[in-house]
Amino acid sequence: QKEVEQNSGPLSVPEGAIASLNCTYSDRVSQSFFWYRQYSGKSPELIMSIYSNGDKEDGRFTAQLNKASQYVSLLIRDSQPSDSATYLCAVKRGGYNKLIFGAGTRLAVHP
Amino acid sequence: DGGITQSPKYLFRKEGQNVTLSCEQNLNHDAMYWYRQDPGQGLRLIYYSQIVNDFQKGDIAEGYSVSREKKESFPLTVTSAQKNPTAFYLCASSPTPGTGEYEQYFGPGTRLTVT
Repeated sequence: QKEVEQNSGPLSVPEGAIASLNCTYSDRVSQSFFWYRQYSGKSPELIMSIYSNGDKEDGRFTAQLNKASQYVSLLIRDSQPSDSATYLCAVKRGGYNKLIFGAGTRLAVHP
Repeated sequence: DGGITQSPKYLFRKEGQNVTLSCEQNLNHDAMYWYRQDPGQGLRLIYYSQIVNDFQKGDIAEGYSVSREKKESFPLTVTSAQKNPTAFYLCASSPTPGTGEYEQYFGPGTRLTVT
C-alpha cells in the first residue's frame, strides 16, 4: 500500500462545475496535509494546508480533512480552464518536516 | 523578490559525468530539500537539511550528494553512480522546524537529461 494514494485521473469537469479531488493516507499519526497544483512542465505551487479535522476554505478552494477515515480532499468551485493541472496531495511524516507526496490527480476543465 | 532559484533550467550531460544543480533561497528558511520527479510519478525525497552544516538522506539518496555550507544554498550533485539520473529535480525550502509552519515552497526546477 502506498503511503499517499490519489486517483491518477484524468478527472474531467465542465467549466463552472465543482471539481472534487481525493487523497487517502496510510500513517494514522499524520497531522499535516497539503495540496499543491502543478502545471505541465512547471514546479508544484502550494494551494492549501490543513491541520485540523473539518473544512478550510480559501477563495474557490476548500480542503476537507477526516483523520478518522484517513482522507483529505480538495474541492474547487466554479472550475475554470486555468485550473487544468495535476494536483498533488502531500502528508507530513513524523517529527521532521518531511512530506510524502501522492502521484497526483490530473484535472481537465473543459469549456 | 523573495523566492527560490534553481539553475540551470535545462541541463544535458553525458553518462559518467558528475553534475551539480544549484539551489538558492532568500526566504530566510532554515530547512531545504531536494526532490526528484519522474513522469507520472509523485515527488521523491533525495536529501534534506534542517540547518546549516547538517543534512540527512531521504528515500532515494544513492548516487547523490549535497552540501549545506550556507543557509541560502543547498547544491545537489548527481554522481555517475546514479543509475537513472534523467529526471526533473526540484528544490524546496520551509520555515524553521518546530515553528508549526510546515509548508514547503518549491523552486522552478532543473530538468536533467543524461545520454
